[in-house]
Amino acid sequence: EIVLTQSPGTLSLSPGERATLSCRASQSFSTSYLAWYQQKPGQAPRLLIYATSRRASGIPDRFSGSGSGTDFTLNIIRLEPEDFAVYYCQHYYKSPYTFGQGTRLEIK
Amino acid sequence: EVQLVQSGAEVKKPGESLKISCKASGYSFSSYWIGWVRQKPGKGLEWMAIMFPRDSDTKYNPSFQGQVTISVDKSISTAYLQLSSLQASDTAIYYCARADTVQLLYPDAFDIWGQGTMVTVSS
Repeated sequence: EIVLTQSPGTLSLSPGERATLSCRASQSFSTSYLAWYQQKPGQAPRLLIYATSRRASGIPDRFSGSGSGTDFTLNIIRLEPEDFAVYYCQHYYKSPYTFGQGTRLEIK
Repeated sequence: EVQLVQSGAEVKKPGESLKISCKASGYSFSSYWIGWVRQKPGKGLEWMAIMFPRDSDTKYNPSFQGQVTISVDKSISTAYLQLSSLQASDTAIYYCARADTVQLLYPDAFDIWGQGTMVTVSS
């Protein structure tokens, strides 16, 4: 099983700042198989990024993904109030297609 | 509009079983994987299982195997998750989600999610 470890656990920033979220995998896999989701309280998760760097439909270009091998990153520039949420990475390289434990992005 | 609509909240007693549903609309049900994700109160997402309706190819998370069964009824574009021998620790929101297929063999990321079904297990 591939274990995904996200850091930091909580990130405190102000609107307008830039957020950098990390997702580290216990083994290497292709960039084709890493996604990022956003979840707000009381809502289902929403797909932001798939295949490491491809934005899902309707996702603003403030969100970008990068990485390779075992290290992947989600960047959010010019934070908007609606961006404060919990973010999860997920691999879909081989079953089980596990999620990271999440990073909470909170308003400072 | 592409959407997944899940069945309503449930309250069950320990030891009971439960089958929750996820009705798909707005797309070709058989052509996309359908999976299930658990989220315990205040906790993260746990990937449980996934099925490709066209050929019933199924993958389970070993952590859940034997405790859950995923199934579909293609005639009504509906997926099901059966939970057996429920315990208080199964109290959670269960989400269904759709994934595109990669080369007709593997699931892609979950691009459409249901609204979630809250399951409470309490004596």
